[in-house]
Amino acid sequence: DTAVSQTPKYLVTQMGNDKSIKCEQNLGHDTMYWYKQDSKKFLKIMFSYNNKELIINETVPNRFSPKSPDKAHLNLHINSLELGDSAVYFCASSLEGGEQETQYFGPGTRLLVL
Amino acid sequence: DQQVKQNSPSLSVQEGRISILNCDYTNSMFDYFLWYKKYPAEGPTFLISISSIKDKNEDGRFTVFLNKSAKHLSLHIVPSQPGDSAVYFCAASAYSNTGKLIFGQGTTLQVKP
Repeated sequence: DTAVSQTPKYLVTQMGNDKSIKCEQNLGHDTMYWYKQDSKKFLKIMFSYNNKELIINETVPNRFSPKSPDKAHLNLHINSLELGDSAVYFCASSLEGGEQETQYFGPGTRLLVL
Repeated sequence: DQQVKQNSPSLSVQEGRISILNCDYTNSMFDYFLWYKKYPAEGPTFLISISSIKDKNEDGRFTVFLNKSAKHLSLHIVPSQPGDSAVYFCAASAYSNTGKLIFGQGTTLQVKP
């Protein structure tokens, strides 16, 4: 059973389109995260939610909007896709989002904007 | 400004030998450090962690050492196995940042049979 799952695994789309990436965790965790791995391979946090409440919101264009319908799901919607949005997006979860917790990652969604 | 740095993009070792992966950080507020392992087309998998109150943590073949004064940590894998070939990420968090992990850029380890 997959602990943190993401769909789709691959996403190829045209500039200007709107797309969503879904994430689900079955670990019973309260906190979920979105990370972006860019072409230089750096993993950078974008958002975190704790029990459906936004906790971390890094300097991310407002074209990116996370949505958490419940604490087991955190979806990422991206409007007006740009070439620079091409990256691998990882979802993660942790127990409470507090200090010294391990975050568990999903397999990633590879987004290519043409 | 990269607060966590892994200055060696790649490392190659012989099976059975020790692998040493290094990580440096600049933020003195970091108090928890983790190592993740990543295979191609998969997400990072947690390997081992260490709190700033310790200078060593061991789990089987994996040991992490923390030198706070030098702001340096290292991951030792001994003996190295071909299945250890992967990208290793160092990550750090600070008490004030509520779960926010800052990652290094990764080191690709190749263990040759």
